[in-house]
Parts: sequence; C-alpha cells; structure tokens
Amino acid sequence: DTAVSQTPKYLVTQMGNDKSIKCEQNLGHDTMYWYKQDSKKFLKIMFSYNNKELIINETVPNRFSPKSPDKAHLNLHINSLELGDSAVYFCASNGLHYNTGELFFGEGSRLTVL
Amino acid sequence: QKEVEQNSGPLSVPEGAIASLNCTYSDRGSQSFFWYRQYSGKSPELIMFIYSNGDKEDGRFTAQLNKASQYVSLLIRDSQPSDSATYLCAVNSGGSNYKLTFGKGTLLTVNP
Repeated sequence: DTAVSQTPKYLVTQMGNDKSIKCEQNLGHDTMYWYKQDSKKFLKIMFSYNNKELIINETVPNRFSPKSPDKAHLNLHINSLELGDSAVYFCASNGLHYNTGELFFGEGSRLTVL
Repeated sequence: QKEVEQNSGPLSVPEGAIASLNCTYSDRGSQSFFWYRQYSGKSPELIMFIYSNGDKEDGRFTAQLNKASQYVSLLIRDSQPSDSATYLCAVNSGGSNYKLTFGKGTLLTVNP
C-alpha cells in the first residue's frame, strides 16, 4: 500500500490555466505538507496543515490555494498558471507524536507549464 | 530568513572511501536535524536524524552535530555506487510545528 499518494504524477498545461493536485495519506498522520522542488532541486515548504487547520503558510502567491477536507487529504489548487510554477510538487505527512519528526513524501507531481 | 547551506557538489568518491557531507544553518534555536537522500526522479527519504551534540551512528552512516558552530555533517563509510544520490540536509525551524527547511542538497557520486 502506498503511504502517501499524489495524483496526477505528471501534468502539462498552458499558461493561464487552473490545475489541481491531490494528495492522500493512509498513515494516520495529523500533519500534511506541500513542498515545491524547482529545477535546481531546491525543496521549499509551501503549506502545512494539522488536522485540517492551516499552520504554516509560507510566502506563496495567492494563486496557490491548499484545501484539506480531512486530515488524510491535502489538495493544492493553482490558478492562472505561470511558467515559473513549473516544478515538482511533493506532498508529505508527519506523525508529530513520533519522536523522529520524519516526513513521509509522496512520489511527486511534475508540473510543466508551457 | 532561516537558511540551510550545503555545498552543491558534485562530490565524487571512489567505492569503499568515506564520503563527507557538510551543512550549516542560521537559526541558532533549531533543535532537530535531518539527512534525507534523494535518488534522481524519486522522492526524498530519511536516512538519519540527530538532536544532541556529538555523533550518532547507524550502520555505515554517522551524523555529527555541533550546535555551537551551527554545523551538521553526514559521513558515509565504505561508500557504494548505490549511495550515489543527492543528500539533503534539513533543519526543523518551526519548533513543534515541524517546519523542515532544506538545504539545496549535495550530489554524491560513488565511482566503482
């Protein structure tokens, strides 16, 4: 069973379009994240939700809107896509009651904006 | 701006050698530190975490932490070609919210 699953894995779209990426975790974790990894492999946090509540909101354009319908799901909607949005977006989860604080990452969703 | 700095590499070592990866961080209040490995086209996976000053060993991997110098390192002994990957240093800069700030990673190549 996949612990953290994201869909779609690949997304190619035109500038100006709106797209969504979905994420689900079956680990029973309370906290979920969205990270963006650019072409230089720099992995940067975007958002974090704890049990459906937004707890981390980095300096991200408001074209990006996360939604967490329940603690097992965290979706990312992006409006008016721009070339610079091209990246790999990783969803991750974390069980804060575990001492390691380990992040469990999904396989990533590669977004290409043309 | 809380930052995590790593040499981007690439770092190239022969098989069987010791690979040494280094990381510095700016937030003196950081409490927990992580090393992730990322193979090309894959997602990051945790190798080691360390909270206390000193060394922590796990198999061929040793993490070293010096909070006074704001420095954390990873040593890989008896390097194998399968260790070739990008190694990401991460620092928890969010306290109980576990906000991991990542460095830009060091690309390690182990040559047979």
